[in-house]
Amino acid sequence: GAVVSQHPSRVICKSGTSVKIECRSLDFQATTMFWYRQFPKQSLMLMATSNEGSKATYEQGVEKDKFLINHASLTLSTLTVTSAHPEDSSFYICSAGEKVKNEKLFFGSGTQLSVL
Amino acid sequence: GENVEQHPSTLSVQEGDSAVIKCTYSDSASNYFPWYKQELGKRPQLIIDIRSNVGEKKDQRIAVTLNKTAKHFSLHITETQPEDSAVYFCAAIPIYNQGGKLIFGQGTELSVKP
Repeated sequence: GAVVSQHPSRVICKSGTSVKIECRSLDFQATTMFWYRQFPKQSLMLMATSNEGSKATYEQGVEKDKFLINHASLTLSTLTVTSAHPEDSSFYICSAGEKVKNEKLFFGSGTQLSVL
Repeated sequence: GENVEQHPSTLSVQEGDSAVIKCTYSDSASNYFPWYKQELGKRPQLIIDIRSNVGEKKDQRIAVTLNKTAKHFSLHITETQPEDSAVYFCAAIPIYNQGGKLIFGQGTELSVKP
């Protein structure tokens, strides 16, 4: 199957700093990428949908100014957690589909963010 | 929008027994139902999926059944093994969701005791 590379795998940062997470589709063009957040022992909650060359669509309750998403090319999407606080500590994971309405999604390996 | 409910939240079985996890969905427009297995700190892995034009699908020890009328689908694992222990998520995609926006259930933590 297709590969989605996500970096970094783990980040520990001080409160108030910004953290950038990258997701790359290695062998296919991802017109759409999805960003999820997962708290311990909970389900994956969709944060936003990222479309190449256009603004991301955020789910209700997700602050677009805090979670900046950029999808500048068909192979790269980034999520920046701005001014991170301890409550932002979570497992962040991206997924990508190769084409519109392609239900088979490929997940990145996830990023464990810990804000001290 | 779509809402997916998953039960039970935890399930403990003896090695060799069967395990069943059930999900219901709310949007009759949903037409694709994948199941994912997630180990701690890892990415979800697709283990089986089913489309709305099929009632049952099987892959070795894993099977999924779909009842469109009742809007529920189930995962069946037979001859469970300790390595089956993980969190399992069901999901649904409404037909109108371009690009596959998955709506996940709450997850089931399966523990298989040797």
